[in-house]
Amino acid sequence: KAGVTQTPRYLIKTRGQQVTLSCSPISGHRSVSWYQQTPGQGLQFLFEYFSETQRNKGNFPGRFSGRQFSNSRSEMNVSTLELGDSALYLCASSPPGLADTGELFFGEGSRLTVL
Amino acid sequence: AQSVTQPDIHITVSEGASLELRCNYSYGATPYLFWYVQSPGQGLQLLLKYFSGDTLVQGIKGFEAEFKRSQSSFNLRKPSVHWSDAAEYFCAVGGGGSNYKLTFGKGTLLTVNP
Repeated sequence: KAGVTQTPRYLIKTRGQQVTLSCSPISGHRSVSWYQQTPGQGLQFLFEYFSETQRNKGNFPGRFSGRQFSNSRSEMNVSTLELGDSALYLCASSPPGLADTGELFFGEGSRLTVL
Repeated sequence: AQSVTQPDIHITVSEGASLELRCNYSYGATPYLFWYVQSPGQGLQLLLKYFSGDTLVQGIKGFEAEFKRSQSSFNLRKPSVHWSDAAEYFCAVGGGGSNYKLTFGKGTLLTVNP
């Protein structure tokens, strides 16, 4: 069974640009979560989606948004990039019955560098 | 609000020595507790989890953790560390219900000396 797939793995943007990151969950998983990982703040929850509905959102500005499609694939978008948005963005999925426990299966992440 | 504290930022052990990584959590109800491991440039892999029942849980790669409600702790242990265990370890708490998120500790970086 394929794991969580994130694309692109690495990308470089400049301040003011926007970026879209993609995540394909494990087959059969309908819950998709996004986390930002930085050396200073650690792992921080961005949002969680289930059946195309956002069920929870972390404490991030409105520049961070996401969506989920009917096939459970998810995208997150960051607009008007700032230097502080440089981070590893991790996507994770949960199987039916475990989404509400928090058990997550992570992808390898998309490393965003903002210059 | 839920929170997790991992008091040790960096731990160095010799190969073959025992290991204990500390984790303290704050949560208002019965928590779901997890330990994840992250190798350089990789995502996170679940080592073990505690939902309920036996407070000593076994995980992959020979790891175990003990839930102590009275101490709000969920420490990770391994009797004999291998060089391949060098990685960063994260403790996390999940709230269940309509929370749908994990709160992670800052992580403990494990270095293994030959």
